[in-house]
Amino acid sequence: QAQLVQSGAEVKNPGASVRVSCQASGYEFTAYFIHWVRQAPGQGLEWMGRINPNSGGANYAHKFLGRVTMTADTSTTTAYMDLNNLRYDDTAVFYCARLKSGLPLDAWGQGTLVTVSS
Amino acid sequence: IVMTQSPATLSVSPGESATLSCRASQSVRSSVAWYQQTPGQAPRLLIYGASTRATGIPARFSGSGSGTEFSLTISSLQSEDVGVYYCQKYNTWPHTFGQGTKVEI
Repeated sequence: QAQLVQSGAEVKNPGASVRVSCQASGYEFTAYFIHWVRQAPGQGLEWMGRINPNSGGANYAHKFLGRVTMTADTSTTTAYMDLNNLRYDDTAVFYCARLKSGLPLDAWGQGTLVTVSS
Repeated sequence: IVMTQSPATLSVSPGESATLSCRASQSVRSSVAWYQQTPGQAPRLLIYGASTRATGIPARFSGSGSGTEFSLTISSLQSEDVGVYYCQKYNTWPHTFGQGTKVEI
């Protein structure tokens, strides 16, 4: 049974960076993309980007270009999302989820709350 | 491609049916998924391929559509169906979500 377990909540100052991790288990890590989704308080789901753990290649939503980096470590079956130059409106829950080509996001992490506050 | 959902909020009595709509600004063929999110929880996959129920999803959830027009129907609404429902295109990136429809009793 596929499981994605994310790192714990973070509190960061404006301008700082945050790294959120997503450890996968129960399936072949390199066979699925890992996607990242942001959800601001009381708002909808916002697709941020994806990484192919097999190749290391990543694609990012235009809105996050230049501020986000997604990586994956196949030795630990863990994906990472780094977001830098944090702003107050980056306060959100960040989710990782897996996707196999031609199929949707069928397993999600529990979410990681990142609070940007001075 | 923009995914537009309607209505924003849907109030339904228990046992009645609810129909949610999702429109794509360009054709996405049948590559649309629907997710349910209840308060404090991660989204859960309900429907993919526009009309295929995911594993373990009750038969009262059904999806239809192709191209640019899609719908999700919840027949005989139950109290545990309260939440926000999102459509998403997943054929190519960016994998855009709709803005969500809140279903309330």
